[in-house]
Amino acid sequence: GENVEQHPSTLSVQEGDSAVIKCTYSDSASNYFPWYKQELGKRPQLIIDIRSNVGEKKDQRIAVTLNKTAKHFSLHITETQPEDSAVYFCAASRAGAQKLVFGQGTRLTINP
Amino acid sequence: EAGVAQSPRYKIIEKRQSVAFWCNPISGHATLYWYQQILGQGPKLLIQFQNNGVVDDSQLPKDRFSAERLKGVDSTLKIQPAKLEDSAVYLCASSLIQGGEQFFGPGTRLTVL
Repeated sequence: GENVEQHPSTLSVQEGDSAVIKCTYSDSASNYFPWYKQELGKRPQLIIDIRSNVGEKKDQRIAVTLNKTAKHFSLHITETQPEDSAVYFCAASRAGAQKLVFGQGTRLTINP
Repeated sequence: EAGVAQSPRYKIIEKRQSVAFWCNPISGHATLYWYQQILGQGPKLLIQFQNNGVVDDSQLPKDRFSAERLKGVDSTLKIQPAKLEDSAVYLCASSLIQGGEQFFGPGTRLTVL
C-alpha cells in the first residue's frame, strides 16, 4: 500500500523567511496530494492541494510543487507570519481508492 | 454551512470498557471517514463509508472496533473492549463526493487508563 514520508518533523524559521516541507510517496498511481494545517487542539484544515496533471500550484503565500518522476511533493510558505505556526500534514491518494494516506507531520514554529 | 459535528469531545475510560463516538457529517456529503490520530502522528484511516456502504475498512481492528452508518447520514464508531493503545483523537471527516475535499470534525480525544 501507499506510504508517505514527511520531512522535517520540526522546523523553526524567522518571521518573514520561507519554509519548505517535503514529502515522498511510494505508490506511483497516486494522483492527489493535499496539505493540511492543524493548529494545537483543532481539526486539520485543507490549505492547498495538487493533482498529478500539474507541476505547481500557488495560492497567495503558499505553493505546492509536484515531481511525479521522483515521487515527491513539497509545500512552500513565503513571508512567514506567526499565525503560520502549526503542524502541517501532507497526504496522498489515488483515484478510485480516495483513501488518504498521511505523512507524520511537521511542526512549524515561526519566531518573531 | 455547518461543519462536521462530533461528540463527545473528550472521553476517559478504563481499559476493557466500551466507548462509542458519534459523527454528523456536513449535510449532503455522501462520503464519511473515521480516522485515528495518535499523538505526534498523522491521521490514519479506519473506515470509509459511501452513503451507508463500507468502501474501505482494511485498517479497522475488527476484533474490537465497529462502525455503522445505517441511514447514510450519521455514523457511530465503537470500541469494545478498549486497550491502552487506543488512546488517540478520533476524527470524523466527510466529503461531497469520493475523492473530493475532506472536511474534518473537531475530533474526540479518548484516554484509556
